[in-house]
Amino acid sequence: KAGVTQTPRYLIKTRGQQVTLSCSPISGHRSVSWYQQTPGQGLQFLFEYFSETQRNKGNFPGRFSGRQFSNSRSEMNVSTLELGDSALYLCASSPARGLAGGDEQFFGPGTRLTVL
Amino acid sequence: AQSVSQHNHHVILSEAASLELGCNYSYGGTVNLFWYVQYPGQHLQLLLKYFSGDPLVKGIKGFEAEFIKSKFSFNLRKPSVQWSDTAEYFCAVNAQYSGGGADGLTFGKGTHLIIQP
Repeated sequence: KAGVTQTPRYLIKTRGQQVTLSCSPISGHRSVSWYQQTPGQGLQFLFEYFSETQRNKGNFPGRFSGRQFSNSRSEMNVSTLELGDSALYLCASSPARGLAGGDEQFFGPGTRLTVL
Repeated sequence: AQSVSQHNHHVILSEAASLELGCNYSYGGTVNLFWYVQYPGQHLQLLLKYFSGDPLVKGIKGFEAEFIKSKFSFNLRKPSVQWSDTAEYFCAVNAQYSGGGADGLTFGKGTHLIIQP
């Protein structure tokens, strides 16, 4: 089975721009979660989508949003980029019940976003 | 909101030494507990998890962890480490609610483990 794929792998943007990151989960997985990883804050949960519905949201401003499509692929969007949004954005997929079922999360390689 | 503390940010051991990495969390209710590992140049992957049942859980590559509810702890252990265990180790928790819902994963800051040959 192919793993979780994320595109693009690297991205450079300037302050004020917006960005869309894409995640393709493992085939058959219904839950997709997004995380932000920075040296200072570590790994922080952004949100989880399950069957096209946002089921959980972390403590991030409304500039961070996401969606999930009927084929379970997910996108996250960050509007009005700030320097502090520079980070590695990780996507993870889970089978069956997702976070609510204590399922293992399978992580992708991440998208490295740099905001100048 | 729950928090997760990993006591050691950097650990250096020699091969064949025993390993114990500490993890404490703050949430008082039902939790799911995980240890994830990131080997150099690789993705995060699951080492082991506790969902329910036996508090002593065994994972891949000879790792095990014990859930001690009274101490809010989920320490990771391995009796004899190998050079290939050099990696970043993350403890993670999510709260499970009685209605069937759950929070997102809260991760500790990670422990960078270096095994010297």
